[in-house]
Amino acid sequence: DTGVSQDPRHKITKRGQNVTFRCDPISEHNRLYWYRQTLGQGPEFLTYFQNEAQLEKSRLLSDRFSAERPKGSFSTLEIQRTEQGDSAMYLCASSTRTGAEETQYFGPGTRLLVL
Amino acid sequence: AQSVTQLDSHVSVSEGTPVLLRCNYSSSYSPSLFWYVQHPNKGLQLLLKYTSAATLVKGINGFEAEFKKSETSFHLTKPSAHMSDAAEYFCVVSEHSGNTPLVFGKGTRLSVIA
Repeated sequence: DTGVSQDPRHKITKRGQNVTFRCDPISEHNRLYWYRQTLGQGPEFLTYFQNEAQLEKSRLLSDRFSAERPKGSFSTLEIQRTEQGDSAMYLCASSTRTGAEETQYFGPGTRLLVL
Repeated sequence: AQSVTQLDSHVSVSEGTPVLLRCNYSSSYSPSLFWYVQHPNKGLQLLLKYTSAATLVKGINGFEAEFKKSETSFHLTKPSAHMSDAAEYFCVVSEHSGNTPLVFGKGTRLSVIA
């Protein structure tokens, strides 16, 4: 399968613990996005990378959240000192730009539950 | 700023009848518009996209959407619903040029009754 993959698919943690999620994009895609989706809502943008550079961060991304893409390939999203409000589906998408067109392809997501 | 309004949170149709999922958008620039579908416990799948070419866009599984600039709408249709179409559908907008993330609507849940 050459699609976007995410690991783990599910994570249950206790409040105050740190968690890290991984995203492996489609191999030739230079852009990588993180989104968060809470129950009954559409996904909301968190941050994105072009190659290894983090180009934009949403106001939703508090200082407890950090994302990296060290070699321009896979990316990690870490949440420190988790809170119950962090419970959500975390989605990763990758894309490449052809002229003015860009289409994002999504992974299956990591569902986080903070107890 | 861009935004998307999906006019119905839930639509229920009988199998074999037409589907209409409504979407209005707001964008300061020439937008790209997308419809994604999300089946339970599955990732988001792209159904179709509009990027300033033909205003009537055909997608996968018999879905199509028409871009109407005068009405700022991008409604999704299908002539005949199938049980497998039951899912959550998201209308999405992004700026046509520049580096912008996707802005999603809140979604429309489609139920198909046998």
